[in-house]
Order: sequence, then structure tokens, then C-alpha cells
Amino acid sequence: DIQMTQSPSSLSASVGDRVTITCRASQSISSSLNWYQHKLGKAPKLLIYGASSLQNGVPSRFSGSGSGTHFTLTISSLQPEDFATYYCQQSYNTPGTFGHGTKVEIK
Amino acid sequence: EVQLVESGGGLVQPGGSLRLSCAASGFTVSGNYMSWVRQAPGKGLECVSILYSAGTTYYADFVKGRFAVSRDNSKNMLYLQMNSLRAEDTAVYYCARESYHHSSGYYPDYWGQGTLVTVSS
Repeated sequence: DIQMTQSPSSLSASVGDRVTITCRASQSISSSLNWYQHKLGKAPKLLIYGASSLQNGVPSRFSGSGSGTHFTLTISSLQPEDFATYYCQQSYNTPGTFGHGTKVEIK
Repeated sequence: EVQLVESGGGLVQPGGSLRLSCAASGFTVSGNYMSWVRQAPGKGLECVSILYSAGTTYYADFVKGRFAVSRDNSKNMLYLQMNSLRAEDTAVYYCARESYHHSSGYYPDYWGQGTLVTVSS
């Protein structure tokens, strides 16, 4: 299985901050990388697919970039509703595997 | 509007069985790839099983031979029959619809809120 490594595992930030989360794949996955937001007790929410395509209805402050083995999720101006855990997932092959998550907390 | 609602979780003894259900609305289960993903306490997300629209299946090695995924087209429902349960199967189980894009292959685009399965004596 392809291993996905996310960093950092957690971060503290303030409303309005620019936040960047990194995800690395153990082998090249082209652009088959997706990002999810997860809040406790809620359904995970797809933010970005294909490394950089914004899912319908997701605010434009979220953006994704990268290809091959190195990917980033950027939140340009952190909002109160963005405090959550973020996961990357590779869909290059089966099974799709996830990073261990980055918890974004209020500073 | 796409919605997925899981049910059927609960407390079960090691070696026991449980059937999870996932009620879908806003799309047809039979026309889509559907997956079960779980999250154990303090752990990350992991794919458990996939039911492809053609009816073929994928199982993770850690559930192969113990879990079975199925669907009821008339009810638009997805199921996960879990047998020979172990303590390490304790987790929140999510069902998800898989969507396709040429840039990303198949990936979960809509998820339910999950149902908690606790395996303990």
C-alpha cells in the first residue's frame, strides 16, 4: 500500500492566519491526491480532489497544489469554522490510503 | 441532495457479529462505487471495503474472510456484515460514495456521519 505522511500532526493558528499542510506519498501518485476536512461527530467533507480542484461549494480560501509525491493544502485566511482535522488521501491505486491527519487548533 | 446515514453500530462481544446499514438518498447506490472506511480511536482513516457498481468487491486484508459488503437496490441501501469481530475492529465506520475524475481516479466525495462499533467483553 502507498504510505501517506502528513505534517505537521497539529498546529495552532489564529483567525486570519495563512495555514499550510503538507502531504508526502511513498511513491509517485501523479495528481491523485484529495483533501478532507473532518469535525468531531460529523461526516468528513471533501475539499480538494485531483490535487488542486476545488469541490463544489467549498470556499475559495482553500487551495491545493503539488504532483508526484509532494502536495500542500493552503488555507489563505483561517476562519473560525475551519478549526478541524484535515486528511490527505491518495486515490492512485486501491486501497486509497490516508494521511494520519493534521489537527488545526485555535491559538 | 446526496445524503448517507449509517446505522447498526453498538457494543458486541469478541467473536460476535453485527450488520451495519447505510441509507443513501439523492443518488443510486447500484450506479456508484461505494466504500466503507473506519477510524479506530486515536488512529487514522482506513479503507475497509469497496463495492463496485458491477457487483465486484474489495476487502482490506485485515477483514478479508470476516466482513461482507452488499447492497439492496430496491431500498437504495449499502450493508456491511461483520463476523468474528475482534477488539481491534473497534472504530467509527463510515460509508462513502466514490466519485470519478480523470485527474484523481475514484475517491470518496460524500460520507455519512458514521456509526460506532465497540468490540469488548
